[in-house]
Amino acid sequence: GQSLEQPSEVTAVEGAIVQINCTYQTSGFYGLSWYQQHDGGAPTFLSYNGLDGLEEKGRFSSFLSRSKGYSYLLLKELQMKDSASYLCAVRGSTLGRLYFGRGTQLTVWP
Amino acid sequence: DGGITQSPKYLFRKEGQNVTLSCEQNLNHDAMYWYRQDPGQGLRLIYYSQIVNDFQKGDIAEGYSVSREKKESFPLTVTSAQKNPTAFYLCASISSSLTTNEKLFFGSGTQLSVL
Repeated sequence: GQSLEQPSEVTAVEGAIVQINCTYQTSGFYGLSWYQQHDGGAPTFLSYNGLDGLEEKGRFSSFLSRSKGYSYLLLKELQMKDSASYLCAVRGSTLGRLYFGRGTQLTVWP
Repeated sequence: DGGITQSPKYLFRKEGQNVTLSCEQNLNHDAMYWYRQDPGQGLRLIYYSQIVNDFQKGDIAEGYSVSREKKESFPLTVTSAQKNPTAFYLCASISSSLTTNEKLFFGSGTQLSVL
């Protein structure tokens, strides 16, 4: 089976750095992605990691360790608009499917 | 502009009624997906289709049906057999399900409620 675990919520202040973790167990692995979803909106793609290491995209970075079944999303210089739910998703044994975690609700305070 | 269009944005279902949620994409994507989102539950896969005239059940297919007669369209019917249909439904597509780093594009969702 497939399972992904994320903390349910995280809070931080504007300008700070926050890390959102995701641990997974899958019967196969073809990469891990992160998506951002604002309240009532559609998820939008943030990043993809297929190999171990850090991928950086502006204020957002994502890290993957396949041996540990672990990923994190790092958000720097937090802004109020970053308040949203962040979902990790894994491609498991069936290449056509993505499995999603429950999402981590990030609240950024002024 | 290319994208995925879901309609309606809000839908109400009476007991015993079947309702159909529309999903249309003009991205020329091969694969399309339907997800259900409940508060605190994340996204759960209902059905997916990797090619026209073919589709597979996801994790929670009971009480739902789909068709994929055209590449652009993947409608979802919520049947009367689905006893707890109230949820936010998201349609998504990807250019090729066989490419590992492809990203999913999502529609804006349909909120279905029971009267």
